[in-house]
Amino acid sequence: GNSVTQMEGPVTLSEEAFLTINCTYTATGYPSLFWYVQYPGEGLQLLLKATKADDKGSNKGFEATYRKETTSFHLEKGSVQVSDSAVYFCALSEGMTGGSYIPTFGRGTSLIVHP
Amino acid sequence: DAMVIQNPRYQVTQFGKPVTLSCSQTLNHNVMYWYQQKSSQAPKLLFHYYDKDFNNEADTPDNFQSRRPNTSFCFLDIRSPGLGDAAMYLCATSTQGRDGSTEAFFGQGTRLTVV
Repeated sequence: GNSVTQMEGPVTLSEEAFLTINCTYTATGYPSLFWYVQYPGEGLQLLLKATKADDKGSNKGFEATYRKETTSFHLEKGSVQVSDSAVYFCALSEGMTGGSYIPTFGRGTSLIVHP
Repeated sequence: DAMVIQNPRYQVTQFGKPVTLSCSQTLNHNVMYWYQQKSSQAPKLLFHYYDKDFNNEADTPDNFQSRRPNTSFCFLDIRSPGLGDAAMYLCATSTQGRDGSTEAFFGQGTRLTVV
């Protein structure tokens, strides 16, 4: 079955530091890959996505590249802000057949950014 | 602009007293999900609807039921809440996008407290 593995947190950084959160996946087909962000007390929001190999998703200064050869989708940001403090979930899903459309989530990585 | 709306945001219920959480969507998506999320954990899928077809996860307790009277609305019923059912409950929707991906759209969640 499909699975997503994320690095354990919390990740603690100072403002303006470089961020990397690692994510690797296993899938039987050709999934789309996602990063979701969850702020305290809120639901999950889509941060970015990539639908095929070598695609780069980007949003709000965050980037992730779909690497099929390493089955990875690492999240990066060049300069984090205090407002980026949240929990980040890597996820995958496939097409609408065979039940594989159901999102599979990683365990989440908490990011704490200090001023 | 709200697309997936959960009510209420906060719900306090008594031990053993039935409670219903609601979710509505304006996206006309054919799939709706209910997740349970406890602190610092990934969302756990309870069940989902693909159109009118109900799909229960194997490890979802019988205490949890769901109804989807139409495309727009979905309800989570907890027949006899226990202290262990205190959690954030997340509703989400998805459909096949033009790019082939099945991105999930989440509501803001309902925080359930059992006293």
